[in-house]
Amino acid sequence: SSELTQDPAVSVALGQTVRITCQGDSLRRFYASWYQQRPGQAPLLVLYGKNNRPSGIPDRFSGSSSGDTASLTITGAQAEDEADYYCNSRDSSDNYLGVFGGGTKLTVL
Amino acid sequence: EVQLVQSGAELKKPGESLRISCKGSGDNFTTDWIAWVRQMPGKGLEWLGIIYLGDSDTIYSPSFQGQVTFSVDKSVSTAYLQWSSLRASDTAVYYCARWYCGVDCYLDLWGQGTLVTVSS
Repeated sequence: SSELTQDPAVSVALGQTVRITCQGDSLRRFYASWYQQRPGQAPLLVLYGKNNRPSGIPDRFSGSSSGDTASLTITGAQAEDEADYYCNSRDSSDNYLGVFGGGTKLTVL
Repeated sequence: EVQLVQSGAELKKPGESLRISCKGSGDNFTTDWIAWVRQMPGKGLEWLGIIYLGDSDTIYSPSFQGQVTFSVDKSVSTAYLQWSSLRASDTAVYYCARWYCGVDCYLDLWGQGTLVTVSS
């Protein structure tokens, strides 16, 4: 099976730009998707594919990928962006399952 | 509105059995894969596996093979997650989510979660 590695915690000043990264071998084959989880809520898909946002997700969220690393960038972070962020990709074992990163807690200062 | 609605919170004792549900509404879910995801208290998200609503084809994550059972009733667009003998370590929030695979795969629609508490 695969593993995806994320930094446990990241902080950003209000209105500034922050990048959250996700590293793993499966990202050389598959795109990452990204999920925002606020306390007490279900995860919410915020990015998928090369750089696609579901309807209703602000355009300050963007994604990129290079080699074995995928990144989620928030340009002009807002207070409501404070949350846990998880990356996910297909498992490189070709069993059609996915694998999550350990999650990054984003604090907006 | 397309949504997944999960059954309510459960409080069970060790050794008891349990089945929780995830009902799709507003769309034709019989062509969808449904994933089950666990979140233990204060921890991250973990894949349990997936089940195809059309024919009940099931793939379990190796860590959960034999620990849980997935099933579906496609006549009511509902997926189920079942335990035959609960343990305290099964205490967690369990989410169902649609595993959409086109060019890429991602979990585009989530249920609200079901809190399962196992305590004597």
